[in-house]
Amino acid sequence: DGGITQSPKYLFRKEGQNVTLSCEQNLNHDAMYWYRQDPGQGLRLIYYSQIVNDFQKGDIAEGYSVSREKKESFPLTVTSAQKNPTAFYLCASTLAGGPGEQFFGPGTRLTVL
Amino acid sequence: AQSVAQPEDQVNVAEGNPLTVKCTYSVSGNPYLFWYVQYPNRGLQFLLKYITGDNLVKGSYGFEAEFNKSQTSFHLKKPSALVSDSALYFCAAREGSARQLTFGSGTQLTVLP
Repeated sequence: DGGITQSPKYLFRKEGQNVTLSCEQNLNHDAMYWYRQDPGQGLRLIYYSQIVNDFQKGDIAEGYSVSREKKESFPLTVTSAQKNPTAFYLCASTLAGGPGEQFFGPGTRLTVL
Repeated sequence: AQSVAQPEDQVNVAEGNPLTVKCTYSVSGNPYLFWYVQYPNRGLQFLLKYITGDNLVKGSYGFEAEFNKSQTSFHLKKPSALVSDSALYFCAAREGSARQLTFGSGTQLTVLP
């Protein structure tokens, strides 16, 4: 099956710890995105990457970091500098040059204990 | 800057009645417009898109949307609502040259049996 996978589905973190959320796609998409979703606030863009080894900050990048070493993978690290990390995190991808609809993974719910 | 507004946080409709979920946008140039649906604790699913051409766009699960350039609107519609349509709906937009989508804050649709 083609698609986007995110793991884990649920993640619990103690304050002061860094955690890494996985996002993998086998759609051969060029661009990948990370969003944060909070109740009543829609989706906010954290980071995005158009090609391997390149990425750009979105609207709320502070306290997060990413890497793009492979086309298929775009992991997100939530660092201890992120003051309020409890949220639902969504990864998406799209084909460069296409109309731009993004395809989403199932999400990771991060809870800070 | 791009922006998307979904003026209704909540829409309730009786099963079998027509439904409308409203969306207005602000983008420079020609807009690319999208609708997504999200079920609880799941990723977003693509419903339909407007790129160019016919102002009435048909999508998945019997949904359609009407592009109105003069009113800068892209309302989602369905002639006969189902209880299973109850979910969170997001409108999104991008300018032709941009690679990022801007999302509205979402509308919770509840279809009452």
